Amino acid sequence: DAGITQSPRHKVTETGTPVTLRCHQTENHRYMYWYRQDPGHGLRLIHYSYGVKDTDKGEVSDGYSVSRSKTEDFLLTLESATSSQTSVYFCASEGGFSYEQYFGPGTRLTVT
Amino acid sequence: GENVEQHPSTLSVQEGDSAVIKCTYSDSASNYFPWYKQELGKRPQLIIDIRSNVGEKKDQRIAVTLNKTAKHFSLHITETQPEDSAVYFCAASPASGGSYIPTFGRGTSLIVHP
Repeated sequence: DAGITQSPRHKVTETGTPVTLRCHQTENHRYMYWYRQDPGHGLRLIHYSYGVKDTDKGEVSDGYSVSRSKTEDFLLTLESATSSQTSVYFCASEGGFSYEQYFGPGTRLTVT
Repeated sequence: GENVEQHPSTLSVQEGDSAVIKCTYSDSASNYFPWYKQELGKRPQLIIDIRSNVGEKKDQRIAVTLNKTAKHFSLHITETQPEDSAVYFCAASPASGGSYIPTFGRGTSLIVHP
């Protein structure tokens, strides 16, 4: 599984609270991604990073921010969680050679 | 941006039959097309991919075909087995800064009946 982990694995939070999800990889991969997975929508890209401090928006970035201060860590922050952000969040990393993305185990977030 | 359509959303077959999943894409700049398999409760994993300079690629019981002119690509699984039951995602990816940023289809739930 390419040494990629996510924390927490499950979280329940209330509307309006800030939430930070962490993705950690030990493969020294340059590229990292955050997706959300919802029934009937597949995997939708939220933000991605192509290096330390280098990030860009994906398809569904509204309401989310990211930070990457070290190669191994990519943080996703929901500044003020809403019920529409209830989802399963996957991070992924990719080394830039084979283009294969290695996914983390996922974080199930419920916003009540 | 890229738009990927995937069909069917659900596919039910008998063990030993073949299964075909089709995807279309909109951005002619896309030139990397991976397929991921996600078993229930698990993370997606790459099963096969194809680049735009190749029309077909095979790996044992799975194959992918690409028609760049028509902007569609397909996944073919032969001699299906119950362990092939999963959700399959296609993706189309234009190059971006040394890598590829994929846009995924909505997924196909493949059910293989023993």
